[in-house]
Amino acid sequence: DAGITQSPRYKITETGRQVTLMCHQTWSHSYMFWYRQDLGHGLRLIYYSAAADITDKGEVPDGYVVSRSKTENFPLTLESATRSQTSVYFCASSESENLGTSGNRQFFGPGTRLTVL
Amino acid sequence: AQTVTQSQPEMSVQEAETVTLSCTYDTSENNYYLFWYKQPPSRQMILVIRQEAYKQQNATENRFSVNFQKAAKSFSLKISDSQLGDTAMYFCALHSGAGSYQLTFGKGTKLSVIP
Repeated sequence: DAGITQSPRYKITETGRQVTLMCHQTWSHSYMFWYRQDLGHGLRLIYYSAAADITDKGEVPDGYVVSRSKTENFPLTLESATRSQTSVYFCASSESENLGTSGNRQFFGPGTRLTVL
Repeated sequence: AQTVTQSQPEMSVQEAETVTLSCTYDTSENNYYLFWYKQPPSRQMILVIRQEAYKQQNATENRFSVNFQKAAKSFSLKISDSQLGDTAMYFCALHSGAGSYQLTFGKGTKLSVIP
């Protein structure tokens, strides 16, 4: 009964390096999301996915790449990390896109704190 | 575009007292949903309460209740009998319903409950 997990929980990397943040959910939810959380900005959507092999940009997609070959996994890759990408990253999932549907809501992972030096 | 504004970056309340966190929003949709999320120091995002815009009755969940003023586009959260475990960041969020994947968050209010 793991729900939604993220790995690693903490990551320190250097400018220019590639880093991949992992997200795994056990509910077979169709929709998955990546957010970043920064002081003074709340949570902002980076990318989302409606199903395996279907992804789309959110509010702040620049510098990030996603893939979704399997329903349960939604990795986020920073191809060449920059200091401005230092943040806390949250993965979330939901059964459908409509959060107004009774019983449907976004479930969040525990977050990954990424520091880019 | 939809926006969510939380004008109180930080608040504090004495244990057992009542506190109200403010949130205003803007959307052109008629069918939408509003949420309050709690983020304790563990960073876990926890859904506290939700409100459907088409419902006039304010939502309540135990010690948590909302004051939803649709015409004013206001959605405040009231916490009664505040407990030390209520210390957290609180985020107001807006979702515009079917056809919209997006959950738009405010910048958050840091609430401290003082013993």
